[in-house]
Amino acid sequence: QKEVEQDPGPLSVPEGAIVSLNCTYSNSAFQYFMWYRQYSRKGPELLMYTYSSGNKEDGRFTAQVDKSSKYISLFIRDSQPSDSATYLCAMSFNNAGNMLTFGGGTRLMVKP
Amino acid sequence: DVKVTQSSRYLVKRTGEKVFLECVQDMDHENMFWYRQDPGLGLRLIYFSYDVKMKEKGDIPEGYSVSREKKERFSLILESASTNQTSMYLCASSFSSTGQGDYGYTFGSGTRLTVV
Repeated sequence: QKEVEQDPGPLSVPEGAIVSLNCTYSNSAFQYFMWYRQYSRKGPELLMYTYSSGNKEDGRFTAQVDKSSKYISLFIRDSQPSDSATYLCAMSFNNAGNMLTFGGGTRLMVKP
Repeated sequence: DVKVTQSSRYLVKRTGEKVFLECVQDMDHENMFWYRQDPGLGLRLIYFSYDVKMKEKGDIPEGYSVSREKKERFSLILESASTNQTSMYLCASSFSSTGQGDYGYTFGSGTRLTVV
């Protein structure tokens, strides 16, 4: 079993839909949680960063961490075709500069 | 606004060639990483370095070596390229602690290497 599990998709939604992307993990020692967005043939870029449990909102994006369930989510409201990308979750034990453990990524397609 | 630069976007090399992939960061990060990314396998760590001249093996170091002579530069070397090393190679860097106000990794744009 992988330490971090993520449904590979692809997830296809119509423009304007609310998108929910999820990761589960097995190690309760993870404290820092991140979401990266990767466009085709590009490197991943940091989208959201959260520490411990709770929610964090940035524009149309909301990151949610439920440490009791070992489950993290990224919600995208009013999805746009430009949101079409692969989304990778990542997490670390001590701080976000240390070794990250990545999920395999979920490919999202937002259709006009 | 260039932060992590990988020397080539696309490379085609022949089996048996020695291949050098270069990565330079301008953020004064201590840590640097090399990953390869393959469909269905996600990101796999090849090597990382937490300081100049220091290196640590990742999950899949076989067939690769690295060099870090300067803080800003981390090179990945394929000693004798093989077709199973055809992949997307990603370099990343990070501070060693979040006290410096930066989080997570910053990735380069990747090098798509094809070995024929």
